[in-house]
Amino acid sequence: TQLLEQSPQFLSIQEGENLTVYCNSSSVFSSLQWYRQEPGEGPVLLVTVVTGGEVKKLKRLTFQFGDARKDSSLHITAAQPGDTGLYLCAGDAMGGNTGKLIFGQGTTLQVKP
Amino acid sequence: GAVVSQHPSWVICKSGTSVKIECRSLDFQATTMFWYRQFPKQSLMLMATSNEGSKATYEQGVEKDKFLINHASLTLSTLTVTSAHPEDSSFYICSARGGRGQETQYFGPGTRLLVL
Repeated sequence: TQLLEQSPQFLSIQEGENLTVYCNSSSVFSSLQWYRQEPGEGPVLLVTVVTGGEVKKLKRLTFQFGDARKDSSLHITAAQPGDTGLYLCAGDAMGGNTGKLIFGQGTTLQVKP
Repeated sequence: GAVVSQHPSWVICKSGTSVKIECRSLDFQATTMFWYRQFPKQSLMLMATSNEGSKATYEQGVEKDKFLINHASLTLSTLTVTSAHPEDSSFYICSARGGRGQETQYFGPGTRLLVL
């Protein structure tokens, strides 16, 4: 079974700062997903990265998939209070496309105004 | 994007009772649905996978007789927590995806269960 290590687990920053969240594994994934979850709600998909070395941008969020498809990162530029939430990376538990997702531990981001 | 609903959104029950949680795909046919559990300040953990018309497969450590899953139609899966105990209190989240070629999973809003 694949494992995903996410770091940092907690992050408290001031509005306008930049941050990076990491998602690492010793296993290869066919794809990795990033989700954002608000308290009391289900996770919402932000992006799926599929190709090694791929970079995707979603407004101020930049997602990168490692060349070897074992890791991914989420970079937020000029963070805003509205970015506050739990960020989760996830990948297929068997490395393929079974749909059985394993999640990283999550990164709780707090952006102070 | 596709919509997945859950009902109820929250439930409080007494220890020893059973609770049923519904997961519906509202605008697509979900051949596969997944059930996750999330404890406070923790990440999601996969409990089981249900395919329409067949028995659910459970992850290691999840008791199939305690967490009964039924996926009787392409738009509905149910999770029944039998003889619930306080340690079953958690946030239960389902997700659904369509058939071949539809790989994206859509998550429901979750159901908060509190067992007294």
